[in-house]
Order: sequence, then C-alpha cells, then structure tokens
Amino acid sequence: GNSVTQMEGPVTLSEEAFLTINCTYTATGYPSLFWYVQYPGEGLQLLLKATKADDKGSNKGFEATYRKETTSFHLEKGSVQVSDSAVYFCALIIDRGSTLGRLYFGRGTQLTVWP
Amino acid sequence: DGGITQSPKYLFRKEGQNVTLSCEQNLNHDAMYWYRQDPGQGLRLIYYSQIVNDFQKGDIAEGYSVSREKKESFPLTVTSAQKNPTAFYLCASSMGQGLSGYTFGSGTRLTVV
Repeated sequence: GNSVTQMEGPVTLSEEAFLTINCTYTATGYPSLFWYVQYPGEGLQLLLKATKADDKGSNKGFEATYRKETTSFHLEKGSVQVSDSAVYFCALIIDRGSTLGRLYFGRGTQLTVWP
Repeated sequence: DGGITQSPKYLFRKEGQNVTLSCEQNLNHDAMYWYRQDPGQGLRLIYYSQIVNDFQKGDIAEGYSVSREKKESFPLTVTSAQKNPTAFYLCASSMGQGLSGYTFGSGTRLTVV
C-alpha cells in the first residue's frame, strides 16, 4: 500500500542549529512528495514539493531531495529560527490507479526551537 | 486573494446534536477533502469529492455526512452518531488530481460539551 513514515518527535533545538526530519515512504505507483507545515491553531501550508526522482524542493531555507533508491524525502535546514517552531508533515500522492488524487500523510513531527 | 474559508473557527456542540462545518473555496479547484486531526494521530481522511454531486468515503466516514452541490462548497455534518467528535477539522482542495498538492483551510475546532 501507500504510506509515509516520519521520525517521531518532539524535536527540540537551539536557534541556528541544523535540522533534519527523516521521512520514508512506500508507494504502489510513482509518487509526488511534499512537506507541509502547521503552526499552532492553523491549517497546513505547503512548504515544498518534488515530483520526480532526484528533484530537490526548497523554500524558506528548507530543502528536501526525492531519493527513489532509498524511498526517502528528508527535510533539512541549515540554521533554524524560533519562528520555525511548528509541526511538520511529510506526504505523498500517487499519480495513477484507484488512489489517484489522495494525499497520504505521516504522523507529523513537532519542532520546538529555543532562543 | 483566492483561498479556502472554514467557519466557524471554534464550535461547541451538545451531545446528541448534529452540527455542520462550512468550507468554501474560490480557487476554482475541482476536488475537496475533509480531514480530522487528533493529537498524536496525524490527519485522517473523512470524505472527499472530486466533482460536483459526487463524493467518496475516506477512512473514518462513520458518523459524518457531506454534500457537494456546488463546486465552491463542501460542508461537513457531524451527526449524533459520531461517538467522539471533539477534534480539529481541516478542509482542503486541489486542482485536478492533486499532483501539485492541496490547499488547506485554517480549520474548525469542534468541542462537545
């Protein structure tokens, strides 16, 4: 089936530390991959995406590379800020078959950044 | 600006009552979705609709109902049959098959009192 597994949180970092949130997936077809961010009390915002192998998505200093050989899409940021504190969700969508159009989410990883 | 509007932001319901959550989008998106979010459980799909007048059950449809009479609107009714309705509800929409991702509303927090 289709599923996303991401590292469990919470993740607590000091400001300017390096961030990695691991995400791996299983897919019955050829997926597009996403990272969403959720700030407290709000909906989800698309952070970045990648639609084919070796693509790198990037936004606001965050990056993730679509690795087909390891079925991974790890989120990284070189220097986190307090304002990055949020919950991060990895997700995939399949481009064909009966599950076409459905977005599969990981459980989310809570990130807290201290000044 | 285009977007998705969910209302109300906070909703309180007495046990045994039905309640309807509103979701409206002006993005001209074809597909719309309802998710439920509980602490530590991520997002679970309740219902989705890919075209007007058609919708499908997701993973946790029991105790919920939807309608899609207009492209812009996808209201969710939480019925008295839903055993544990207190949660954060998120509506989303996507263009076509969603391969560019979804756009989410800001959510409705429902509390049963």
